[in-house]
Amino acid sequence: KAGVTQTPRYLIKTRGQQVTLSCSPISGHRSVSWYQQTPGQGLQFLFEYFSETQRNKGNFPGRFSGRQFSNSRSEMNVSTLELGDSALYLCASSLDSIGTDTQYFGPGTRLTVL
Amino acid sequence: QQPVQSPQAVILREGEDAVINCSSSKALYSVHWYRQKHGEAPVFLMILLKGGEQKGHEKISASFNEKKQQSSLYLTASQLSYSGTYFCGTEMDTGNQFYFGTGTSLTVIP
Repeated sequence: KAGVTQTPRYLIKTRGQQVTLSCSPISGHRSVSWYQQTPGQGLQFLFEYFSETQRNKGNFPGRFSGRQFSNSRSEMNVSTLELGDSALYLCASSLDSIGTDTQYFGPGTRLTVL
Repeated sequence: QQPVQSPQAVILREGEDAVINCSSSKALYSVHWYRQKHGEAPVFLMILLKGGEQKGHEKISASFNEKKQQSSLYLTASQLSYSGTYFCGTEMDTGNQFYFGTGTSLTVIP
């Protein structure tokens, strides 16, 4: 089975721009979660999507949004980028629930905001 | 709501044992353990659910004290490949969010 894939792997943007990251989950997995990882804050939960609906949401501003398509692929969008948004963005897929099922992480997208 | 892990860092010699702890101030539904090596994505180790169910690798053991909202990961007879940063992840009893702990850096030396 193919693993979780994320595109692009690296991205450089400037302040004020917006960015869209993509995540393709493992085939058959319906839950996709997004995380931000930084040296200072560690791993922080952004949101979880299940069957095209946002099921859970972390404590991030509204500039961070996401969606999930009928094939379970998910995208995350960050608008009006700030320097502090520079981070590794990880997505993870699980069969049904991030609470009770194993999460399989993708390699991440490294976003640098200049 | 972010769980607190201890210790922050530990250095072991091959063959030694280690315990990593994860503590939450909120009632938990599940505790997850992941290991992340430098430059790689986190990899699943174990899930412990309220009520006693566990899912995980055979060589990994962990406990979940529901009364204290604490979990411990036990690494026995450590190998060089155990090196990495260990994270616990917790889902609150109320659901809705998932929080990762602060991480424990573990280094195994020959």
